[in-house]
Amino acid sequence: QQQVKQSPQSLIVQKGGISIINCAYENTAFDYFPWYQQFPGKGPALLIAIRPDVSEKKEGRFTISFNKSAKQFSLHIMDSQPGDSATYFCAATISNFGNEKLTFGTGTRLTIIP
Amino acid sequence: DTEVTQTPKHLVMGMTNKKSLKCEQHMGHRAMYWYKQKAKKPPELMFVYSYEKLSINESVPSRFSPECPNSSLLNLHLHALQPEDSALYLCASSHNKGGARGAGELFFGEGSRLTVL
Repeated sequence: QQQVKQSPQSLIVQKGGISIINCAYENTAFDYFPWYQQFPGKGPALLIAIRPDVSEKKEGRFTISFNKSAKQFSLHIMDSQPGDSATYFCAATISNFGNEKLTFGTGTRLTIIP
Repeated sequence: DTEVTQTPKHLVMGMTNKKSLKCEQHMGHRAMYWYKQKAKKPPELMFVYSYEKLSINESVPSRFSPECPNSSLLNLHLHALQPEDSALYLCASSHNKGGARGAGELFFGEGSRLTVL
């Protein structure tokens, strides 16, 4: 019940295209869904996060779409750039437990080709 | 540049050695974490300190010993490690560990790459 399933494992997108990464969860108590971005040799960094009271959140070229009934959420990267090449982790937790119970997805290695 | 500083960046040790990993943050955060990350895997939580008290120990073997000397510092003492402990060890901090206001953003350091021979 604590799992967060993430797909695809790897993704290659042409520069300027849309990158889409999907995550699904089982635990309906989850109420905070962050996405972390990790470049090689670096630690993860928070990219964007959403709570289930909204269906979409947009920050620049990055958008989270959230489907509460399907227990799914996804990250869309518009106008993908080579600098977006990184590993992306979705995550989920229950607010009251916060980062102690933060469950990461398995990760997606995104490569943007020129 | 990350505001969570980890040293050393690389460490090679034998199975009989004793070494320590260090982490420092000056953002005034009161929660600090140790994560272990194997190649192509997500970070796995090892320990959580909240207000300098150990809050979570995710059944980590006793050969890993955390220490939080003050609110800005976090150490991970290593002793008698096994080759399978080779990994990237990430320190992170957050304003608090969570609660009614929700999970705070985790700020990660760049990690210490550990190799156990």
